Amino acid sequence: SQTIHQWPATLVQPVGSPLSLECTVEGTSNPNLYWYRQAAGRGLQLLFYSVGIGQISSEVPQNLSASRPQDRQFILSSKKLLLSDSGFYLCAWSTGGYGYTFGSGTRLTVV
Amino acid sequence: RKEVEQDPGPFNVPEGATVAFNCTYSNSASQSFFWYRQDCRKEPKLLMSVYSSGNEDGRFTAQLNRASQYISLLIRDSKLSDSATYLCVVGGGADGLTFGKGTHLIIQP
Repeated sequence: SQTIHQWPATLVQPVGSPLSLECTVEGTSNPNLYWYRQAAGRGLQLLFYSVGIGQISSEVPQNLSASRPQDRQFILSSKKLLLSDSGFYLCAWSTGGYGYTFGSGTRLTVV
Repeated sequence: RKEVEQDPGPFNVPEGATVAFNCTYSNSASQSFFWYRQDCRKEPKLLMSVYSSGNEDGRFTAQLNRASQYISLLIRDSKLSDSATYLCVVGGGADGLTFGKGTHLIIQP
């Protein structure tokens, strides 16, 4: 069966520090992968999506970046965090029009 | 700009009652429709897909009206465990699903 792993679950980082969040998928090949962010009191916002290794599409301009070094690995990064980067970061995967499966999320607080 | 609009609630409903949510979407080319459930501080989980003909899963019924561009979710015989935020979700391709901000439901004993 397919599973998606995301870590860490919670993270507190100072402003200006770097960020690296990792997401891996098991049990499937060539999935579409997504990074979403949910800020407090707001809806889910699509940040990046990838349809294959090395292919990244960005939905919103920001100081975040994403990479897909392997088929089932998706990484979200930042060189310097801002206060506004705080939120609940969710990785998701899909292989068709059957909805997305989300990882358990990383709750990031930038202080 | 793709948008999905929902009444944020909260909907306070007594246990055993029937409750219905609607949502509207702006992109008429959308092809995929879903309802997700999100518990507090947890990831969203797929509740059910929504098909043009309407579909039912136990106490839950979802309907799609393409002409008016709205989706509905009906919950019958509501349980305390149904308390959650319900997200209306619309999509049309590999570039991701668009999520509504959710409707907060509180089932009261």
